[in-house]
Amino acid sequence: GAGVSQSPSNKVTEKGKDVELRCDPISGHTALYWYRQSLGQGLEFLIYFQGNSAPDKSGLPSDRFSAERTGGSVSTLTIQRTQQEDSAVYLCASSLGRWNTGELFFGEGSRLTVL
Amino acid sequence: KQEVTQIPAALSVPEGENLVLNCSFTDSAIYNLQWFRQDPGKGLTSLLLIQSSQREQTSGRLNASLDKSSGRSTLYIAASQPGDSATYLCAATLIQGAQKLVFGQGTRLTINP
Repeated sequence: GAGVSQSPSNKVTEKGKDVELRCDPISGHTALYWYRQSLGQGLEFLIYFQGNSAPDKSGLPSDRFSAERTGGSVSTLTIQRTQQEDSAVYLCASSLGRWNTGELFFGEGSRLTVL
Repeated sequence: KQEVTQIPAALSVPEGENLVLNCSFTDSAIYNLQWFRQDPGKGLTSLLLIQSSQREQTSGRLNASLDKSSGRSTLYIAASQPGDSATYLCAATLIQGAQKLVFGQGTRLTINP
């Protein structure tokens, strides 16, 4: 597609359930990022993938959060045993170059609500 | 720890005015600085990317400047229009530390017709 695609756009779940959020980056972009935006908060870095290198997971808030990127393209962010504080908009971005050179392009986000 | 601050948090101006949004960062060791706009309920749209070796970038009515020595960047919007109403965020890419952009909290801009 022309841009970064994320699904679902909205997800409502009950506390304790697992959720999966999907990101399809711009074709050919080697770098992929996940960020979280909570109400009234800035963007919080979660994880960064660059090609076949080991991902930078330094922003994941707990071991309930994990992400994978298959075939260097589509990425899935998984949140296990969701908590109410996980409610936020999860944004995915991709970049053509390495993190320190490329312009980032964001998807529309997945809004997660944990009841 | 790198901190990125945007002032003011909100700004309301009449249509047609020229305006400046400010972004400051505490660590001058950055690779680049990027300006985004975010419309309500939407993702971020990249506006301008300034590499550390550059002083400014221009796109249409937008001009962004970068002064690493003072830790500041400004986004200048000329002849503002109601369609410019959005939240504007700046983000700095660090040289040291984690491989990520550090975002400011944003400036919510309203252009009144």
